[in-house]
Amino acid sequence: GDSVTQTEGQVALSEEDFLTIHCNYSASGYPTLFWYVQYPGEGPQLLFRASRDKEKGSSRGFEATYDKGTTSFHLRKASVQESDSAVYYCALSRSTGGNNKLTFGQGTVLSVIP
Amino acid sequence: GALVYQYPRRTICKSGTSMRMECQAVGFQATSVAWYRQSPQKTFELIALSTVNSAIKYEQNFTQEKFPISHPNLSFSSMTVLNAYLEDRGLYLCGARGGQNSDYTFGSGTRLLVI
Repeated sequence: GDSVTQTEGQVALSEEDFLTIHCNYSASGYPTLFWYVQYPGEGPQLLFRASRDKEKGSSRGFEATYDKGTTSFHLRKASVQESDSAVYYCALSRSTGGNNKLTFGQGTVLSVIP
Repeated sequence: GALVYQYPRRTICKSGTSMRMECQAVGFQATSVAWYRQSPQKTFELIALSTVNSAIKYEQNFTQEKFPISHPNLSFSSMTVLNAYLEDRGLYLCGARGGQNSDYTFGSGTRLLVI
């Protein structure tokens, strides 16, 4: 079945550091890829998505590029802020029989120290 | 904008009892509703996907007998956890979307504690 793997379980950075969270997926065809962010006490919020090879998604300074060759969708941000502290989830969606279900990765806890 | 409200936000039930949680979509028509459980380790498990005019599809390890879901109209869904035990603890999230080309919007979840 479909799966999403996030390499980092936890990332601790200082403000203005560069962020990379690795995401690799396994799915047939062309899934749509997503990054979600979850703050304490809230549900996951969509950051952005990408639907085709080489497409770049971006929002709030975060970005990721769909790479079908390496089946990856790594999240990057050039300069993190304390307010970016949250849990980040990579996810994919693939239409099967008219249904689109989201498959999430395990999540990466980002802690940014001021 | 599209919003999803879930209630209650938090509930405690005794082991062996049942509890019902609700999900309300505001600002759009929820043609599909997905119910997830988020474990304390933060992973998401899809329980079931409900799409208007289609049968509710349950994932492996989840059954209608344990997690009956109702999706009576395009703004509301509910799910009941029957005969809850410790392993049913977690944050239950409802995600809704307006159509195949729409993204899921999630509520803040119902946190279930079982004692």
